[in-house]
Amino acid sequence: QVQLQESGPGLVKPSGTLSLTCTVSGGSISSSHWWGWIRQPPGKRLEWIGYIYYSGSTHYNPSLKSRVTMSVDTSMNQFSLKLSSVTALDTAVYYCARKGALAVAGIEYWGQGTLVTVSS
Amino acid sequence: SYELTQPLSVSVALGQTARVTCGGINIGNKNVHWYQQKPGQAPVLVIYRDTNRPSGIPERFSGSNSGNAATLTISRAQAGDEADYYCQVGDNNIVVFGGGTKLTVL
Repeated sequence: QVQLQESGPGLVKPSGTLSLTCTVSGGSISSSHWWGWIRQPPGKRLEWIGYIYYSGSTHYNPSLKSRVTMSVDTSMNQFSLKLSSVTALDTAVYYCARKGALAVAGIEYWGQGTLVTVSS
Repeated sequence: SYELTQPLSVSVALGQTARVTCGGINIGNKNVHWYQQKPGQAPVLVIYRDTNRPSGIPERFSGSNSGNAATLTISRAQAGDEADYYCQVGDNNIVVFGGGTKLTVL
């Protein structure tokens, strides 16, 4: 059973960079799946941030693309998210996730989520 | 960008059938996935590719998709089905979520 666990600071200052890591267990990050980040501001809808493949290929949400960088570390079975120039609007629960193997698959596995607050 | 529209809330009597809709232009030509999210928890995939149930999801959950609307149907609704439900599609390598529907079981 694949499990995902987010880690990183729970508080980030405005204009700073949000950095999160997702550790994958029970499966290899080098499998034929896309790995991704989704966030949810308190009381609001889910918002997709982007996907990364183990090769490093990425797809980003156009609305966040200019501020997002994702990377993968196959040796550690981890992938990461960096979101720059954050504001209070970036305060949210951030989930890491794994998409199913098919191109048209849904998101099969989710981490438990981690709350990141942007505040001085 | 592609948009998905869901009703803010749906109510259903205990034991009856609930239907949650997800509207989008020609959504019938896309693969729709549905997620259940209970308070304080991560979403759970309950229907994938319009009509398929992942292992462990009760048969009471079903889906359909045609024209400009996809529908998640929950038969014999139980108190434990009370949650937010989100539809999702992939559109040109971009993931789009609906706004979510709060299901209340009366």
